Amino acid sequence: DAGITQSPRHKVTETGTPVTLRCHQTENHRYMYWYRQDPGHGLRLIHYSYGVKDTDKGEVSDGYSVSRSKTEDFLLTLESATSSQTSVYFCAISSRLAGGYEQYFGPGTRLTVT
Amino acid sequence: ELKVEQNPLFLSMQEGKNYTIYCNYSTTSDRLYWYRQDPGKSLESLFVLLSNGAVKQEGRLMASLDTKARLSTLHITAAVHDLSATYFCAVVWGNEKLTFGTGTRLTIIP
Repeated sequence: DAGITQSPRHKVTETGTPVTLRCHQTENHRYMYWYRQDPGHGLRLIHYSYGVKDTDKGEVSDGYSVSRSKTEDFLLTLESATSSQTSVYFCAISSRLAGGYEQYFGPGTRLTVT
Repeated sequence: ELKVEQNPLFLSMQEGKNYTIYCNYSTTSDRLYWYRQDPGKSLESLFVLLSNGAVKQEGRLMASLDTKARLSTLHITAAVHDLSATYFCAVVWGNEKLTFGTGTRLTIIP
């Protein structure tokens, strides 16, 4: 599992409330990612990070922000949750291997916005 | 914008049969990954294809990459029930960013 944990694993929240999801890794990987998974869309990249304080937007970043103040933690924040953000959120890391990288995924967080 | 298309989206196969899942993508990339996902679970890495002509095999699954045709295939040989899952391809672009296909839900029927 490449030492990736996510918390919480499940959350139900109300529209308009802020929500922060945490991704924690134990193997000192530089590259970290947040994806969301929705039926019919596969996984889509929200934000990514190439190191501490080095983050950038992915294809579906509206309504989300991220922070990475330590190598091991990558936080995803929904400033004001909306029902369209109900989804399963996966964190991932890229691990270097011969000739390139391989991307591993955390266990996921199921978020429901009511 | 990179687009990744998988087909078929749904596939029911009888045990013992062979079939192929296709992954087409729209812009140049020379790296592609295949993942498996069981219901309610995370993604499990199956294959990492790093160059044109790459072919990887693991058990009854074989993946290949043709970067000129912008096509990857995942071939299933003599399917068994425990291969039932959803399979995703993901194309690598930029600095290790992934764009995923929509997935192929595979059901193996006894």
